[in-house]
Amino acid sequence: SQTIHQWPATLVQPVGSPLSLECTVEGTSNPNLYWYRQAAGRGLQLLFYSVGIGQISSEVPQNLSASRPQDRQFILSSKKLLLSDSGFYLCAWSLGQPTGELFFGEGSRLTVL
Amino acid sequence: GQQVMQIPQYQHVQEGEDFTTYCNSSTTLSNIQWYKQRPGGHPVFLIQLVKSGEVKKQKRLTFQFGEAKKNSSLHITATQTTDVGTYFCATNAGGTSYGKLTFGQGTILTVHP
Repeated sequence: SQTIHQWPATLVQPVGSPLSLECTVEGTSNPNLYWYRQAAGRGLQLLFYSVGIGQISSEVPQNLSASRPQDRQFILSSKKLLLSDSGFYLCAWSLGQPTGELFFGEGSRLTVL
Repeated sequence: GQQVMQIPQYQHVQEGEDFTTYCNSSTTLSNIQWYKQRPGGHPVFLIQLVKSGEVKKQKRLTFQFGEAKKNSSLHITATQTTDVGTYFCATNAGGTSYGKLTFGQGTILTVHP
């Protein structure tokens, strides 16, 4: 069966520090991968998606970046965090179908101070 | 891209009462998906609707897709405390072969015992 792992689960970072969130998927090949952000009490904002290794599409201009060095690995990064980067970050995967049902990781809660 | 408006933003009910959340679009949707997110958790896929006028049931949950495929609803009969959480509708961005989903803002359901 397919599983998705996301880490770290929580982190507190100072403004201006770097960020790296990692996500891996097991049990499937060539998944579509996504990073969403959820501000407190709000909906899900799509940040990046990837349909293959090295293929990254950005949905919202910001100081975040994403990389996909391996088929089932997706990394969210920042060189210098802003206060506004605080939130709940969710990695998700789907198969390359029109249905696009998403399977989410447990999430990473980031607080920037 | 596709935009979906979800109402209400919040709903407080007594245990045993019914609950309904609505998802509306100004354009025809190719499909609609529903997710549930428990407090502190990650969104979990509930169901997908693709056909005009489609109705699907999962125990106490009834999902409907409008005849014009511009709206959808999720109805819970006789709510229980386990129904607490945020319910999101989401739709696939038309014209793509992968599951790039646009989410509604969600309805936060509180159930008072």
